[in-house]
Order: sequence, then structure tokens, then C-alpha cells
Amino acid sequence: GIQVEQSPPDLILQEGANSTLRCNFSDSVNNLQWFHQNPWGQLINLFYIPSGTKQNGRLSATTVATERYSLLYISSSQTTDSGVYFCAVGVFGRAGTALIFGKGTTLSVSS
Amino acid sequence: SQTIHQWPATLVQPVGSPLSLECTVEGTSNPNLYWYRQAAGRGLQLLFYSVGIGQISSEVPQNLSASRPQDRQFILSSKKLLLSDSGFYLCAWYGADHYEQYFGPGTRLTVT
Repeated sequence: GIQVEQSPPDLILQEGANSTLRCNFSDSVNNLQWFHQNPWGQLINLFYIPSGTKQNGRLSATTVATERYSLLYISSSQTTDSGVYFCAVGVFGRAGTALIFGKGTTLSVSS
Repeated sequence: SQTIHQWPATLVQPVGSPLSLECTVEGTSNPNLYWYRQAAGRGLQLLFYSVGIGQISSEVPQNLSASRPQDRQFILSSKKLLLSDSGFYLCAWYGADHYEQYFGPGTRLTVT
């Protein structure tokens, strides 16, 4: 099956710093999503980005499908950005189009 | 609007007891539905998915089963819980555009 690798596994930042999270995947996909898991466990949708670039406030994401990787950029980080960031991929029609998750990047932002 | 509900929010059960977790969605019809499990400190693993009433596919052999008795209801069950069944169980579905998957609030299960 498709393998999803995220790096780094852990990231510690001071408030105001910028960061880049990476997601590599082993096969062609047509669904790629980034999630933020908050301290209560809720998975919050950040981006649906199987290709191209999107921006939402301080967050942006880029997926280069031909090279099988995606990047999540967080600028001017805030303490509320802390949590686990997951990349998940899928192929429409395969396994009901379920998502395959990476192990996540745990981000800690201190003030 | 489309929403997804899960209950209970938390559950503590002894080893060997039965389990029933429920997921319901509102505001859509014939959705694909999914059960995922997240073990402590790890990523999410797909357990079951359903593309329609009575249609269940299992991705991982285990002590659990799933059922879909109604279009917008998905149930995760076990006859006898194991310690290894502890974890955070999340139900998911695709939104109206059928491209982006959304997750419920989850059920945190502790088997003692």
C-alpha cells in the first residue's frame, strides 16, 4: 500500500518563528489533506491539496504531485498552533477512498 | 448543514465486556463512512469503511466489527474487549463535494 512519511516528527518553536513540515508519499494519489489535531483530539481540516499551492492566513501548503511530496508552511507561529499535524493521502475508488495517514509532526510553540 | 456526531465521548470498559460506538451524520444522503483508530501517540489507522447500507469492508483483522443499519448511521462493536482495543476512535465522511474528508469529535476508549 501507499506509504506516507512526515518530517520532522517533533518541532519546538518560539512564538513568531516560521516552520516547514514535509510529507512524502510513495505512489500517485488524487487526494491529499493536511489536518491539525487539537489537544482535545479533534481533527481540523487545514487543506485539501492534491496538487498546487493554497494559502489560508498564516498557513500555506504546496503539493508537487509529480515528485510525491507536500509541504505545510506555518508563518509567525502562535501558541495556539501547537498540536499534531497530519498529512493524509488517498486514491479515489480505492478502499472506499479512505485516507492513509502519516505518523504526524508534533509542534510545540512556546511564548 | 452537514454535521457528524459520535457518542459516547469517553468510555472506560473492563476487559471482556462488549462495546458499541455510534456515529451519525446529518445533512447528506448515502455518504461513504469510515472508522479509524488512533493508538496513543500514533497516527490514524483505517478499521472499516462503508459505501452503503449493509455494506462493510474491513481493512485490518481484529476484535472489532462494524455495521450500517441505516443510511446515516455507522456502528462499531465488539463482543469482548481486549486491552489492545484502547484508543481514540474517529468516524469520518466525505463532505458534499466528495473530495474532502471530515472527522467527528471521536470517542476515547480505555479498556481496563
